[in-house]
Amino acid sequence: EAQVTQNPRYLITVTGKKLTVTCSQNMNHEYMSWYRQDPGLGLRQIYYSMNVEVTDKGDVPEGYKVSRKEKRNFPLILESPSPNQTSLYFCASSRRPSANYEQYFGPGTRLTVT
Amino acid sequence: AQTVTQSQPEMSVQEAETVTLSCTYDTSESDYYLFWYKQPPSRQMILVIRQEAYKQQNATENRFSVNFQKAAKSFSLKISDSQLGDAAMYFCAYRSPMEYGNKLVFGAGTILRVKS
Repeated sequence: EAQVTQNPRYLITVTGKKLTVTCSQNMNHEYMSWYRQDPGLGLRQIYYSMNVEVTDKGDVPEGYKVSRKEKRNFPLILESPSPNQTSLYFCASSRRPSANYEQYFGPGTRLTVT
Repeated sequence: AQTVTQSQPEMSVQEAETVTLSCTYDTSESDYYLFWYKQPPSRQMILVIRQEAYKQQNATENRFSVNFQKAAKSFSLKISDSQLGDAAMYFCAYRSPMEYGNKLVFGAGTILRVKS
C-alpha cells in the first residue's frame, strides 16, 4: 500500500529537549516536505527536499532542521524545542511537481512543548 | 507571494442538501494549480478535487464540483447531496508551477458541520 508514515503520532516534551519526528514514504517519490498546521493559519511549509541531499527552506524554517540521506526518509529535527513549536506536523511526498502528481500526506504528528 | 483566503470559518448544511465553500486567492501568475483538501477528525489530509488554471472547464468528482472564476480569482467548492461523512475541515490550496519546493499555500480552513 502506497503510504507516508510518521512517528511518533503524539509527542509531549519539554522546552529544550531535542527531538526528531521521522517520515518515510514507500512510493520512491523525489519530493518531500514538512508542514505545520496551526489554527487560523492553515498549513505552512517548513522545509522541502527535491531529492537525496537536496533540501531547502520553506516559509517557516526557524527552529527546525531536516536531512535527506535516503530517498524514502525525511526526518524533522527540533534541536531546542520551544512552546511556539507546539503544533500539528505533516510530512508529504510526491513525484515531480505537476497537478497530475498528487501530494501524499502522512497521518500527522501532534507535538506539545511545555 | 501568493495568498489564499477562506472567509467562512464555519459552515453548516442539512444532510442531503447542497453547500458551497468559498475560496479566493491572490497571484500574479497566469498558470497555477488549485486544490481542495478534506481533513476529517482523523486529521488525515485527503485530496478532494484539483483544478488547473489553464483549463476553463470546472472540475467535478462525483458529488464535489468547483466554480473556478479565474478573473475573479475565486475557487469555490460545491458539495451536493451532503452526507454525514462530509463533516470535516476543508482547506483550499494553491500551487505555483514555478515553485521549486512543490509548496502548497493553504487557506485557514472552513469547518463543515452536517446536520442529520
